Amino acid sequence: DQQVKQNSPSLSVQEGRISILNCDYTNSMFDYFLWYKKYPAEGPTFLISISSIKDKNEDGRFTVFLNKSAKHLSLHIVPSQPGDSAVYFCAAIGDNFNKFYFGSGTKLNVKP
Amino acid sequence: DAMVIQNPRYQVTQFGKPVTLSCSQTLNHNVMYWYQQKSSQAPKLLFHYYDKDFNNEADTPDNFQSRRPNTSFCFLDIRSPGLGDAAMYLCATSRGGPGKLSEQYFGPGTRLTVT
Repeated sequence: DQQVKQNSPSLSVQEGRISILNCDYTNSMFDYFLWYKKYPAEGPTFLISISSIKDKNEDGRFTVFLNKSAKHLSLHIVPSQPGDSAVYFCAAIGDNFNKFYFGSGTKLNVKP
Repeated sequence: DAMVIQNPRYQVTQFGKPVTLSCSQTLNHNVMYWYQQKSSQAPKLLFHYYDKDFNNEADTPDNFQSRRPNTSFCFLDIRSPGLGDAAMYLCATSRGGPGKLSEQYFGPGTRLTVT
């Protein structure tokens, strides 16, 4: 049973526009959420995170929003650049800080 | 640069022939993980070590074993690979521990092909 879900396998956006990637989770005990970015032939790399006590975290062009009541988080990339084209994974951590739960990923394509 | 290294990047093995994948880290992290990822699916956690403590996921087949001889190295042994074990295998590390929220650092992965 997958506790973290990314229901959009792919997303295509024009350069300069906003990219919005979505993630839903089922476990209300999750404390911490992360986004990872993965290029082909490389391992995922950490992008941005948010604690469950916050509803927004911003880092440059990347902002993560958390809606705990809806068990939903989203990653906004503004403005999108062709170099942002990659697979984005959402992940969550519960009370066992050593265990990460991953979504299946969304492939973002930013068109020049 | 401190990093997570996986060797080999590509591994071909025959059906039923034991294979070992290796991972090393220079981050001195307490926790090391092995994930299996098949195309368009979430990385599936197989097991992790917190220092020397081994934590197996309930649904990890017995065919998969792991060894962590020291802090830096962790191995994934597949005793009798089947065609369904063809996948990308990702190693990751984190600082870990109670109260220590920390992101994971991933290696580049080993692509396993079973013929």
